[in-house]
Amino acid sequence: SQQGEEDPQALSIQEGENATMNCSYKTSINNLQWYRQNSGRGLVHLILIRSNEREKHSGRLRVTLDTSKKSSSLLITASRAADTASYFCATDARKANSKLTFGKGITLSVRP
Amino acid sequence: ETGVTQSPTHLIKTRGQQVTLRCSSQSGHNTVSWYQQALGQGPQFIFQYYREEENGRGNFPPRFSGLQFPNYSSELNVNALELDDSALYLCASSLPSGDEQFFGPGTRLTVL
Repeated sequence: SQQGEEDPQALSIQEGENATMNCSYKTSINNLQWYRQNSGRGLVHLILIRSNEREKHSGRLRVTLDTSKKSSSLLITASRAADTASYFCATDARKANSKLTFGKGITLSVRP
Repeated sequence: ETGVTQSPTHLIKTRGQQVTLRCSSQSGHNTVSWYQQALGQGPQFIFQYYREEENGRGNFPPRFSGLQFPNYSSELNVNALELDDSALYLCASSLPSGDEQFFGPGTRLTVL
């Protein structure tokens, strides 16, 4: 079953613009992670935010977490054509193991 | 690249056949997780192996089985293949205390 739901399902922006992607989840978590996937290939880890954190930055990425609303957002600033990919949020409830529960993903297209 | 390798890259099988997929984890990682990603969906957790023992399983039938070897590499076996088993199969390695999972490029399985 999918825990996270990303919003929007698809996003098309112009190079240089910012892209904001949202994720909602259902159960309590240990951490939430964002991954990128290019053309059905392997997943690339972007950023992790723990349940006791509210905001993290990594380069052009900014992620926020609101555990009271069970939601997260990923902001990519100054987007580039190379950012075109599918983006997934994944939650780690860390009960017995570190399995990740993914959403269905967001398709981001950055037009040159 | 993450250092996680998977083989083969692509595979075509027919219904009822059996398949074995292989994964070599990143150096020093003793935990391997397997995920199934159907087209247009997010990855779904199949199971995780830690020190050669299964350490958690998702909602997959027993015809999905796995192994982990002393060098921490892993195999995913699927018996009695069905058309719905067509998907990208991803393995990810991690440290047991680590939160980040490092994904391989995946094996694309097509069942005809």
